[in-house]
Amino acid sequence: QKEVEQDPGPLSVPEGAIVSLNCTYSNSAFQYFMWYRQYSRKGPELLMYTYSSGNKEDGRFTAQVDKSSKYISLFIRDSQPSDSATYLCAMRKTGANNLFFGTGTRLTVIP
Amino acid sequence: DAGITQSPRHKVTETGTPVTLRCHQTENHRYMYWYRQDPGHGLRLIHYSYGVKDTDKGEVSDGYSVSRSKTEDFLLTLESATSSQTSVYFCAAQDLENTEAFFGQGTRLTVV
Repeated sequence: QKEVEQDPGPLSVPEGAIVSLNCTYSNSAFQYFMWYRQYSRKGPELLMYTYSSGNKEDGRFTAQVDKSSKYISLFIRDSQPSDSATYLCAMRKTGANNLFFGTGTRLTVIP
Repeated sequence: DAGITQSPRHKVTETGTPVTLRCHQTENHRYMYWYRQDPGHGLRLIHYSYGVKDTDKGEVSDGYSVSRSKTEDFLLTLESATSSQTSVYFCAAQDLENTEAFFGQGTRLTVV
């Protein structure tokens, strides 16, 4: 079983929709949670970074962590065609620097 | 890309040949990483470095070696390339623990 599971999609939504992306994990040692966005043939870029449980909002993006359920989410409000990309969840254990990634969810926002 | 340059960006090589990929950073980040990205697997850590001449293995290190003789350069060597090493390779760099990791643009390697 992978330590981080992510639905690969693909996910296709109309412009303006609310998008929900999710990951589950099995190791309770993960304390730092991230969402990366990756455009085609580009490197991943950090979208959101959270520590432990709770919500964090940044513009149209909200990251949510539920440690009791080992479940993290990324919500995108008022989705735009420019949001079309692959979204990767990643997490890190305390005291370690390497990241464990989900497989990524490919999102397409249709104008 | 936060000052991270990977070279080459694309390479085709033959099975059994050695290949070296280069990662160069301009931000003096202490930590550097090599990941590979494959469909169905996401990004997986190959090797990482926590300082000059200090390196360690990651999840999928077999068949790979690394070297870091200067802060700004982190080299990944495939000692004898195999078709299973066909992948997209990403370098990342990070300043301090528990801070953001910045990724390069990737190197697409095909082993034929």
